Parts: sequence; C-alpha cells; structure tokens
Amino acid sequence: ETGVTQSPTHLIKTRGQQVTLRCSSQSGHNTVSWYQQALGQGPQFIFQYYREEENGRGNFPPRFSGLQFPNYSSELNVNALELDDSALYLCASSLAGLDRAYGYTFGSGTRLTVV
Amino acid sequence: AQSVAQPEDQVNVAEGNPLTVKCTYSVSGNPYLFWYVQYPNRGLQFLLKYITGDNLVKGSYGFEAEFNKSQTSFHLKKPSALVSDSALYFCAVSPSGSARQLTFGSGTQLTVLP
Repeated sequence: ETGVTQSPTHLIKTRGQQVTLRCSSQSGHNTVSWYQQALGQGPQFIFQYYREEENGRGNFPPRFSGLQFPNYSSELNVNALELDDSALYLCASSLAGLDRAYGYTFGSGTRLTVV
Repeated sequence: AQSVAQPEDQVNVAEGNPLTVKCTYSVSGNPYLFWYVQYPNRGLQFLLKYITGDNLVKGSYGFEAEFNKSQTSFHLKKPSALVSDSALYFCAVSPSGSARQLTFGSGTQLTVLP
C-alpha cells in the first residue's frame, strides 16, 4: 500500500507567476485535502475534493484552485503568486465518510518559495 | 468556528522523564481530536485520535492522550521520553458536523535532552 506522494518537493517561482502542485492519494482513498503551512505555523485548510468536486473551502482567495482526477490524484493551482504564498503545501488523502474514523494520510509536502 | 490552542511553543524534557504537550480546543458539538508529529522538512505523521469512548487514547510510539471534556483539553503524554521523540507536535480538531477539515494548533517543539 503506497502512501501520499507529492511533487515537486521544492519549487521556486517569481511573484505574479502561476504554479501547479501535484498529489497522488493513498491507494483506496477517494478524498483529498490541501493545506498551507507557513513557516512557524500550523497547517491551514485550503480546500477538499471528493468525486472531482470541491467539497469545502477554507479562507483562501479564488486564485487558489484545485482539481481531482478520476484516479483520485489531485492538483493545486495558484495564480498570481504573492510573496506570502511561500509555504509548505501539504496534501492529505482520506476515505469519504470514514476520514475522521480512520484518519488522514499526509504527504511530505511541496516547499514553495516565491521571490 | 473551531480553534485549537497549544499554549507552549517549546517543551524541553530530559530523556527518560515523562512528557506532556498541552492542547485545548473549542468546537461546537462533539469533537474529533488528533495529534500529528512533524520532523524537519517532512509532512505530518499521525500519532493518535479521539473519536468517542475511553478518554485515554493510546497511539503510536508509546504516546497517549487524555480527552477531558470539561476542560476541553486533549494533552499528549508519554511516560518516558526518548531523544528521537524530538520533533514538532500538532494538535488538531474536526467538528462532528458536515465540515470535515482539520483545524490545527500552532505547534509545540519538543526537545528531549540526552
């Protein structure tokens, strides 16, 4: 059984650019959530996807968007990058309806630096 | 809205001594509570969770946590700390309703001194 894998592990972008981060869910999981973890802070919920549709969103602007694919892999897209977008982006997969019973599996994250 | 407080940014303990990492929460309804650990440049690793039932929850690597509803606390404990336990620990809460996201505390850096 594979865990959650994220790519790339590190990324440097320039302010104003766009970025796409990728996540492959744990085998058997059909729900994916994305979190932003700024330096020295706890992760903040961005949004969750289930059945290829957004299923909950945190306090993030529309320039943060996502996709979930039929194989349950996912992308996080951020447009018009700002310096404050520099953070570790974490993907977590779970099984819908049982996520709080069986927990969430997190990937190792993508470290995004905006310069 | 739910929230989690980890009042200590840093906890230092000598190897072999018991450790406690504190967490209090605020959520409507019955909470689902979690502890995760994060090692440098890594994602979050699940330690344990409270859903319902016994207030003392046992988890991975000898950790346990005690749910106290009256004090809205979910402190993480271990009877005998190891140097390898040194890491960043996060408490998280999820409400019992339809909103399923985790709300995390700000984290506590645990350092176990040899």
